[in-house]
Amino acid sequence: EPEVTQTPSHQVTQMGQEVILRCVPISNHLYFYWYRQILGQKVEFLVSFYNNEISEKSEIFDDQFSVERPDGSNFTLKIRSTKLEDSAMYFCASSEGDNTDTQYFGPGTRLTVL
Amino acid sequence: DQQVKQNSPSLSVQEGRISILNCDYTNSMFDYFLWYKKYPAEGPTFLISISSIKDKNEDGRFTVFLNKSAKHLSLHIVPSQPGDSAVYFCAASAEGGKLIFGQGTELSVKP
Repeated sequence: EPEVTQTPSHQVTQMGQEVILRCVPISNHLYFYWYRQILGQKVEFLVSFYNNEISEKSEIFDDQFSVERPDGSNFTLKIRSTKLEDSAMYFCASSEGDNTDTQYFGPGTRLTVL
Repeated sequence: DQQVKQNSPSLSVQEGRISILNCDYTNSMFDYFLWYKKYPAEGPTFLISISSIKDKNEDGRFTVFLNKSAKHLSLHIVPSQPGDSAVYFCAASAEGGKLIFGQGTELSVKP
């Protein structure tokens, strides 16, 4: 069964460093998403991406964040200058269509900012 | 942001009995709802969904009920099995395809 994959599973970085989290969505999906979950809190939407453009972004997704689909298979989330509060699980998801289509999630990347 | 709420942080059920997980929402514009199951250190796994034009959707042991007038949905698992023990999240699909999640309910099914 096709699945969303994410690398790395765990990333440790120093505050102020740049990190790139990588995702390979399900191959026939057209809509891509990033979410995060800070320990003990809700899963929160960050950004949605379709047709090489951001469709929607949350207040969390400020200028420090960017997304890219550099080739036909990868979808990346970059955090330019990490802060302590960026420590969280980051989940990538993809869907065939938008609003009424099911989003399938990857296993997540645990980001720890020291 | 409290648009989707799961008021019970935990639920404990005996194996073979019914588990009922509840979820409330505030925005009447939501038109698609999903339930996800999550184990620690893993991503959410899709379970079942329901469109706002329906009031019930069933898939094997899982049934989701939607009461639009009450802005309430529930997930029924019957019979419950120990392998069902996990955190269950309800989510509503909003504009741009973003999912708005509840806080989750931790289900424990005891043998």
